[in-house]
Amino acid sequence: GIQVEQSPPDLILQEGANSTLRCNFSDSVNNLQWFHQNPWGQLINLFYIPSGTKQNGRLSATTVATERYSLLYISSSQTTDSGVYFCAVNLSGYALNFGKGTSLLVTP
Amino acid sequence: EAQVTQNPRYLITVTGKKLTVTCSQNMNHEYMSWYRQDPGLGLRQIYYSMNVEVTDKGDVPEGYKVSRKEKRNFPLILESPSPNQTSLYFCASSLFKGSVTEAFFGQGTRLTVV
Repeated sequence: GIQVEQSPPDLILQEGANSTLRCNFSDSVNNLQWFHQNPWGQLINLFYIPSGTKQNGRLSATTVATERYSLLYISSSQTTDSGVYFCAVNLSGYALNFGKGTSLLVTP
Repeated sequence: EAQVTQNPRYLITVTGKKLTVTCSQNMNHEYMSWYRQDPGLGLRQIYYSMNVEVTDKGDVPEGYKVSRKEKRNFPLILESPSPNQTSLYFCASSLFKGSVTEAFFGQGTRLTVV
């Protein structure tokens, strides 16, 4: 099956810092999404981004489908950004394949 | 507001006592799915449904049942729960255009089986 690798696995930032999270995938995909799992366990949709670039406030994402990777940028990080960030892809068919996530801790 | 609603959010039950976790979506999505999330194993698909009365197994279907009698609802049934089904469960829905498109997830149900 398709492999989804996220890096780094863990990240600690001071409030106000910027970061880049990476998602590599092993095959062409129809769908790529970024999620934030907050400390209460909820999965929050960040971006649906099979290709191209999108921005939403301090967050932006870029997917280069031909090179099989996606990047999530977090600027001016806040403590509320803490949690686990997941990349999930769909090749063709009926399931999303999730990466193992990047665990982010933003300290005051 | 477009949303996927799961209930209950938290549940503690005993081995063998049948339970149902409900899932409802208000986006008229054809596709719905259940996942479980476990430490070290990530999110894995249990069952999915392409439309009313159309369901199929995902990667880890053993011990679970589902039904899709209405488009908006997709309940997950554990007929005889066991401790290894202690997990965080998510319901998801999306449009389906040859493959899953943007998926929306419910708030999660944290299940403990003792």
